Amino acid sequence: GENVEQHPSTLSVQEGDSAVIKCTYSDSASNYFPWYKQELGKRPQLIIDIRSNVGEKKDQRIAVTLNKTAKHFSLHITETQPEDSAVYFCAALSNQGGKLIFGQGTELSVKP
Amino acid sequence: ETGVTQTPRHLVMGMTNKKSLKCEQHLGHNAMYWYKQSAKKPLELMFVYNFKEQTENNSVPSRFSPECPNSSHLFLHLHTLQPEDSALYLCASSPTSGFSGNTIYFGEGSWLTVV
Repeated sequence: GENVEQHPSTLSVQEGDSAVIKCTYSDSASNYFPWYKQELGKRPQLIIDIRSNVGEKKDQRIAVTLNKTAKHFSLHITETQPEDSAVYFCAALSNQGGKLIFGQGTELSVKP
Repeated sequence: ETGVTQTPRHLVMGMTNKKSLKCEQHLGHNAMYWYKQSAKKPLELMFVYNFKEQTENNSVPSRFSPECPNSSHLFLHLHTLQPEDSALYLCASSPTSGFSGNTIYFGEGSWLTVV
């Protein structure tokens, strides 16, 4: 079945450094890739998404890149701040059944 | 506030109890979802409803019974649960299901503990 692999599972960076989280997906029909941020005890919230007809998208300090050939996409956070500390989930939407498949999550810790 | 509200936020129940989780969305969406979030595991899709019709049951045990009376409300009826069912249950909604670019909005979740 469809699968999304996310790495790393934990990531610790110093404030001001960059953080990169990578995901790979198995279903070549996937065409929509959102990223969610979940702070402790709160709901997952969409922070950025990308569609399959675009290779890169940027929103202030966060950016997402997509390589359809390799079936992987990445989240890049620059100039990290302590409030970026959270669990980040990638996901891939497949047209086959319309399911949003989530990665395992990355716990990001930004140390001041 | 994303417009998806869940009640109760916390629930402790015994294995012989029957309880229900409730979800309501005020976004005018037509698709609603139940996800299960356990520690150290990815979000697991349980059920999908599109225009009140169930379109996905991801091999969920029958002790979980969903109900969708209209596009704004979704319930998850629970009975004879097991301790391993303890988790955060997240409700979500989107304009429709099954099409690209439909952002899914999550509720705050219901923390369930089965004792």
